[in-house]
Amino acid sequence: AQKVTQAQTEISVVEKEDVTLDCVYETRDTTYYLFWYKQPPSGELVFLIRRNSFDEQNEISGRYSWNFQKSTSSFNFTITASQVVDSAVYFCALNTDEETSGSRLTFGEGTQLTVNP
Amino acid sequence: EAGVTQFPSHSVIEKGQTVTLRCDPISGHDNLYWYRRVMGKEIKFLLHFVKESKQDESGMPNNRFLAERTGGTYSTLKVQPAELEDSGVYFCASSQASAQTGELFFGEGSRLTVL
Repeated sequence: AQKVTQAQTEISVVEKEDVTLDCVYETRDTTYYLFWYKQPPSGELVFLIRRNSFDEQNEISGRYSWNFQKSTSSFNFTITASQVVDSAVYFCALNTDEETSGSRLTFGEGTQLTVNP
Repeated sequence: EAGVTQFPSHSVIEKGQTVTLRCDPISGHDNLYWYRRVMGKEIKFLLHFVKESKQDESGMPNNRFLAERTGGTYSTLKVQPAELEDSGVYFCASSQASAQTGELFFGEGSRLTVL
């Protein structure tokens, strides 16, 4: 069985602070994919990143960066110099090759990030 | 290009009543998924269509839930009869057949409140 844990239910920061959202996953599969999705106040989930289990290289995209560590089963997400527009619920998700459906994702419970001006 | 659209955005019904949620995926997307988030918990998979066929419906909670995708275009999810525990936000997502695993386009969700 797969499981994704986002221990931080809510985080509140002041604009321009850096913030890290934690994600810990569990799976017995050796091939799997990890994702982060953003849910702004409008409600739809927006895809941010996909990472496969064989690629532990960290990724940076603008103010966003992701740290994938297989040794600790973690896939953390850092926002540098946070902005008010970053306020949203962020979901970490997992998909394994053994799933019958290509995009059957296992989500965490989400972290509500509030960036205050 | 229009995104994934869901209707209604919010539905309030009494226990025992029937509700039908509709999802219009992005045009040309063969894959269509239904997910549900209950009480601020994790988002859970319900089922997956490839065109009009149910590829995986193992996440459907019970036989009170019926999903259809006639003609491989829009999809409906009917709950009959609704129970209190069915309250939550129902998300629809779609992707192209050639899309990489997990890169889904989600709608804004349909919030269902069962009283």
